Amino acid sequence: EAGVTQSPTHLIKTRGQQATLRCSPISGHTSVYWYQQALGLGLQFLLWYDEGEERNRGNFPPRFSGRQFPNYSSELNVNALELEDSALYLCASSLRYPGNTIYFGEGSWLTVV
Amino acid sequence: AQRVTQPEKLLSVFKGAPVELKCNYSYSGSPELFWYVQYSRQRLQLLLRHISRESIKGFTADLNKGETSFHLKKPFAQEEDSAMYYCALTGQGGSEKLVFGKGTKLTVNP
Repeated sequence: EAGVTQSPTHLIKTRGQQATLRCSPISGHTSVYWYQQALGLGLQFLLWYDEGEERNRGNFPPRFSGRQFPNYSSELNVNALELEDSALYLCASSLRYPGNTIYFGEGSWLTVV
Repeated sequence: AQRVTQPEKLLSVFKGAPVELKCNYSYSGSPELFWYVQYSRQRLQLLLRHISRESIKGFTADLNKGETSFHLKKPFAQEEDSAMYYCALTGQGGSEKLVFGKGTKLTVNP
């Protein structure tokens, strides 16, 4: 069974541009989570989608947004990129709630120059 | 607000020694607590969860509501236990996000 897949693996953008990251959850999982892992800051919760709806949002500015599609895949958009947005972005999926086991993807490295 | 604190960024022990990775939490409701682990060049994965009360790879963790702690313990560390360990918290009921601590890097020396 395929795990959580993310694309692209690496992305380089310049300040002010927009970045789009994509995630495909494990088959049967309806919940998708996005985390930012910046150097020294651990895993910071970004967004949680379930059944196409945003369920919860972390303390990030509105330029971080996303959506979940009918097939439960998801994308994360970061507008007006800043240098501090450079990080590993992890996607994870689970059955409906985060109390269920969460399975992580390998992440997308975003570098803003 | 949910908060998870892992006071040690780095922890180094010798093979065969006991190991304890500390985790303290702040949460007003009934918590669900987890330990996730990331081995070198592998994905972050679940190690154990408090409601299962199980031992995985020799590790155990007990929820202490009085001390708001969920420390991870193993009586005899092995070199293959070297990894990054994250404590995580969500609320019971399924409507709360899963929040992680900043992680502890465990190194088990031969």
